[in-house]
Amino acid sequence: GNSVTQMEGPVTLSEEAFLTINCTYTATGYPSLFWYVQYPGEGLQLLLKATKADDKGSNKGFEATYRKETTSFHLEKGSVQVSDSAVYFCALWGGSNYKLTFGKGTLLTVNP
Amino acid sequence: GAVVSQHPSRVICKSGTSVKIECRSLDFQATTMFWYRQFPKQSLMLMATSNEGSKATYEQGVEKDKFLINHASLTLSTLTVTSAHPEDSSFYICSAPLWDGGAGDEQYFGPGTRLTVT
Repeated sequence: GNSVTQMEGPVTLSEEAFLTINCTYTATGYPSLFWYVQYPGEGLQLLLKATKADDKGSNKGFEATYRKETTSFHLEKGSVQVSDSAVYFCALWGGSNYKLTFGKGTLLTVNP
Repeated sequence: GAVVSQHPSRVICKSGTSVKIECRSLDFQATTMFWYRQFPKQSLMLMATSNEGSKATYEQGVEKDKFLINHASLTLSTLTVTSAHPEDSSFYICSAPLWDGGAGDEQYFGPGTRLTVT
């Protein structure tokens, strides 16, 4: 079956620091990959996605590249802001089933 | 963009009572909706897939008689927690895919419902 493994948190950074949150997956076929963000007290919002190998998803300064050879979809941002503090979820759709499979989430705290 | 709403956002109920949570797609039709449960500081656990006009499909280990799902229309799915107990306290989230012919796997999530059973 499908599975997603992402970096355990929490991650604490200073403002303007570089962010990487690792995500790897296991799936058959050609799944779509996503990063969702959950701000405190809110539901999930789609941050970015990639639907095929070598695609790069980007939004709000965040980027992630679909690497089929390493089955990875790491999230990066060059300079984080306090407002980026949230829980980030890596997820995949497709592969062996058409349901979203989530990683466990990574709590990011950015300090001023 | 597509919007999914949930009602209520928070509910407190007494043990043994039932609670209904609504999930609506506001500006698109959703023949399928998904219900998740999120425990504190943990990931989302898929509970069931709600299908308009047919029975819901439940994930392994989810009691279908306890978590009743009704997909009454193309824009509304409801989750009823029957005979709720404190261990049912959780954050319940629904989502719906936007089948636009292209990114059909893109999900839109409701803001969630915080259920507390006392």
